[in-house]
Amino acid sequence: ETGVTQSPTHLIKTRGQQVTLRCSSQSGHNTVSWYQQALGQGPQFIFQYYREEENGRGNFPPRFSGLQFPNYSSELNVNALELDDSALYLCASSFPGGRVDEQYFGPGTRLTVT
Amino acid sequence: RKEVEQDPGPFNVPEGATVAFNCTYSNSASQSFFWYRQDCRKEPKLLMSVYSSGNEDGRFTAQLNRASQYISLLIRDSKLSDSATYLCVVPRGGSARQLTFGSGTQLTVLP
Repeated sequence: ETGVTQSPTHLIKTRGQQVTLRCSSQSGHNTVSWYQQALGQGPQFIFQYYREEENGRGNFPPRFSGLQFPNYSSELNVNALELDDSALYLCASSFPGGRVDEQYFGPGTRLTVT
Repeated sequence: RKEVEQDPGPFNVPEGATVAFNCTYSNSASQSFFWYRQDCRKEPKLLMSVYSSGNEDGRFTAQLNRASQYISLLIRDSKLSDSATYLCVVPRGGSARQLTFGSGTQLTVLP
């Protein structure tokens, strides 16, 4: 167990709806990254939050947005869902100054858009 | 050229076989590299880190060729439990904690 939790585990939404996914980072980790993993592909970096500020963003449209809270937990929000948003959404927590390979993934939220 | 490219696989090998996966990357400034393992419908988990020319951990050996921008993972004496998808990972740009993953190579070890 990495100490990183995500909720919900599974989710089914309809095209055009909005969704919020949640991530609780490992204790002491103030950096959270979000990834999207489509079936048969590797995870793709969405964005990263550090101390409640966005700290880097991948090639995702603005309808993908996020928040980080003072306790370092994080949310990923996706508006106007499209069928291609169906994927496993992973969060990973780490802390600055730690080794690069000390980054721990949560179990993911599997989103299905119909 | 994709940032990280891997052998497409899948690889189906018998128990005890040696198998090697290849990966190329486009960012010549990258200093660290990783191999992650991902079991079906689970999160990726770090298998090995590579910071210099290579790394060895038991049956697993990772090698780095900076001139060719090429990383490999060798698994010796394959076990059934090695069946998984292996992901080649390179940090994005200047941030070591923002990762670029390859598409993964699926390995099935057969009894």
